[in-house]
Amino acid sequence: EPEVTQTPSHQVTQMGQEVILRCVPISNHLYFYWYRQILGQKVEFLVSFYNNEISEKSEIFDDQFSVERPDGSNFTLKIRSTKLEDSAMYFCASSTDSTGELFFGEGSRLTVL
Amino acid sequence: AQTVTQSQPEMSVQEAETVTLSCTYDTSESNYYLFWYKQPPSRQMILVIRQEAYKQQNATENRFSVNFQKAAKSFSLKISDSQLGDTAMYFCAFMSRNRDDKIIFGKGTRLHILP
Repeated sequence: EPEVTQTPSHQVTQMGQEVILRCVPISNHLYFYWYRQILGQKVEFLVSFYNNEISEKSEIFDDQFSVERPDGSNFTLKIRSTKLEDSAMYFCASSTDSTGELFFGEGSRLTVL
Repeated sequence: AQTVTQSQPEMSVQEAETVTLSCTYDTSESNYYLFWYKQPPSRQMILVIRQEAYKQQNATENRFSVNFQKAAKSFSLKISDSQLGDTAMYFCAFMSRNRDDKIIFGKGTRLHILP
């Protein structure tokens, strides 16, 4: 069964460093998302991406964050200069349409020291 | 702004029992989707059940069913004949149908099924 894959599963970085989290969505999906979950808290929407552009983003998704789909398969989240509060599990998701059935990856745990 | 509230942080039930997870939400919209997502210990979230707000009939998926009360803005999940594999974090979620493709999640309910 096709699934969303994410790499790395865990990344430890120093504050101020750039981080790129990678995702391979399900191949025929058209909508792509990043969510994050700070330990013990709820899953929060970061950004949605459709037709090669951001369709919506949350207040969390400030200028330090960017997304791109450089080669038609990978969907990446870049954090330009990480802060301690960026430590979280980051989930990529994709869907065939905008009716809400998202398929999630297993997540990438980011630890900022 | 839409909000989703799950008032039960954690629950435990014996295997084979029925359990109901509560969820309330707030929105001024009339056209939306509601979901229950399950996040097992392996972390990957999967969709359990989906309800379209314009449908009065409660959604059902095998042992999982919902009690959707639109006027009360309540959307509870009932798990019948619970199994050990149902142990997970369960998230209630909301999505508007008005070209707003973000899903808003509740804080989750951690459900333990005890042998």
